[in-house]
Formats: sequence, C-alpha cells, structure tokens
Amino acid sequence: KNEVEQSPQNLTAQEGEFITINCSYSVGISALHWLQQHPGGGIVSLFMLSSGKKKHGRLIATINIQEKHSSLHITASHPRDSAVYICAVTPRSSGSARQLTFGSGTQLTVLP
Amino acid sequence: DAGVIQSPRHEVTEMGQEVTLRCKPISGHNSLFWYRQTMMRGLELLIYFNNNVPIDDSGMPEDRFSAKMPNASFSTLKIQPSEPRDSAVYFCASSLYRRGRAWETQYFGPGTRLLVL
Repeated sequence: KNEVEQSPQNLTAQEGEFITINCSYSVGISALHWLQQHPGGGIVSLFMLSSGKKKHGRLIATINIQEKHSSLHITASHPRDSAVYICAVTPRSSGSARQLTFGSGTQLTVLP
Repeated sequence: DAGVIQSPRHEVTEMGQEVTLRCKPISGHNSLFWYRQTMMRGLELLIYFNNNVPIDDSGMPEDRFSAKMPNASFSTLKIQPSEPRDSAVYFCASSLYRRGRAWETQYFGPGTRLLVL
C-alpha cells in the first residue's frame, strides 16, 4: 500500500464546477504539499500545509491531521485548471532528511 | 529571478553512454533536490543537498547514478552507463531551508526529458 493515496486518479469536469481532489496518507507527517504539473511538464508548488486550511484565489487546501486526510478544492473551475495535481508529504520520521513522498497524481480535465 | 534552470531540456542517448544533467538553483537557495518521474513510479526523490553537502542519497537507484554539487549555484546528476530503464523526466528543485521549520516551498525546474535507446 502506498503511503500517499490520491483520489480520483482521473477527473473530468465542466467549466464552472466545484472540484475536490482527495489525499490520504498513512504516516505521521511534518507537512503536506499540493503540487500542480502542467501539460507541458512544469511543476508548481501550490500549498504547503501542516494544519487547518489555506486559500489562494480559487484554490483551497484543507488538512485533517487526526484523520490523515487532505483535500484540494477548486471553485469555479476553468479549462486552464486542467493539469495533474499531486499530493506529497514529508514523513515526520524523515528527521533531517526532508524527503517528499508523492501520491500518484490526479489528472484533471476541465471542459469548456 | 530566472527560476531553477536545467539543461539540457531533452536528451536522447544510446544505452551505455554517459549522461550528465545540469541544474542551476535559484540564487540564495541553500537546498537542492533531484527527482525522477516515470509513468510507472511517478515522482521519486533521488538525492538532496543542503549547503552543497549531500544529505540523503537513499533514493539513488544504483551505483550508476551519482550527483555532485561543487558550489551553491550548480549541481550535476550523472548516469554512467545509461540503460533504457533510466528513461524518465528528471527534475531539479531548490528551496531556502531554515533550521527549525518543518518544511519550505520547493521551486521546480522545467525538467530534463531523457530517453535512452
């Protein structure tokens, strides 16, 4: 079983829809990250969370440490949001090795 | 700021050849990470440096892979000899690490797409 599980693997939505991508992890963590990988391959860090909620524009990321679960929400989705969204965690056990363990990603396609 | 710079962007080589990937981190950043992305395994951390010193290379697949960071503005990842299963996209990322903080934002380069025939 992977330490980081994402769902769904693929998601197709109509423009304007509210989107939720989920991430569950099985280890204690220092932080959780949401990354966006564009169709051209570039990777952008969206959020880094250790508790609560963060918002940036139409993107909202939440984390529940007790339940070991995080969600990434996109409000009023747009075709330009089409990308792969990747959840990654820093296991607390990594100590000085600030490793990232990645989920397999969610391919989001927003249709006009 | 130019961001993290990687070269080459694309590399096609034949099995057995030596491959060298290069990375220039963001100026002022003190941590540098090498990742590999494949369809089968997704993104994986290969090695990371803090203040030019390799901290954790447990992700390096085997002795054919080596990484160096001779100074704060340059790092290389070398594969010798290369094999077809090394075909992947290799990303370099950098960050500014401050002691006592659990984590920091990593900035990714555009990646090098490697194909070993």
